[in-house]
Amino acid sequence: EADIYQTPRYLVIGTGKKITLECSQTMGHDKMYWYQQDPGMELHLIHYSYGVNSTEKGDLSSESTVSRIRTEHFPLTLESARPSHTSQYLCASSDRTSTAGELFFGEGSRLTVL
Amino acid sequence: KNQVEQSPQSLIILEGKNCTLQCNYTVSPFSNLRWYKQDTGRGPVSLTIMTFSENTKSNGRYTATLDADTKQSSLHITASQLSDSASYICVVSDRGSTLGRLYFGRGTQLTVWP
Repeated sequence: EADIYQTPRYLVIGTGKKITLECSQTMGHDKMYWYQQDPGMELHLIHYSYGVNSTEKGDLSSESTVSRIRTEHFPLTLESARPSHTSQYLCASSDRTSTAGELFFGEGSRLTVL
Repeated sequence: KNQVEQSPQSLIILEGKNCTLQCNYTVSPFSNLRWYKQDTGRGPVSLTIMTFSENTKSNGRYTATLDADTKQSSLHITASQLSDSASYICVVSDRGSTLGRLYFGRGTQLTVWP
């Protein structure tokens, strides 16, 4: 079982609120990722990090921001949530031993913006 | 354009029956192909990872095949159980960058009825 944790699992908030989705892993992985997933659709990469103080935007444009101050922690923040941000957000991590290592996913955070 | 197409989109089978899910891809260059199982409301869990040189890989009742020449993969589930009800996602990785970019299919939603 993967040691990667996301909180909250479910969040319902009003438009304009600031939210932070937490993601932590205890496997010592350098690489961490945030994906967005809508029902029946493929996962889209929105942010990734190769290590501490390294963050990059993914393929899907997102108004969210991320930080990587500690290896084990990769939070995602929305400064002003909108209904269009309603989605499932999945955090994942992998090790550095191969170009595309095994991905371990968290359980996801389902965000609903009213 | 690099794509991953899965079929069927959804499938219903009776408990105890076998089934096969298909994945066709156009990703190039090719590094590896993965199958994930995603239970409703949960994060994806890896079933198999296959590299270019591997034709078949098994994980319990799950057997994945890969034909790198035709760029096709299949996931065969033997003696299905109710717990097999989930979305099965095919993911292909390229060798185009150190990130080893991942291309996700939309998944096949499998429902197993008693």
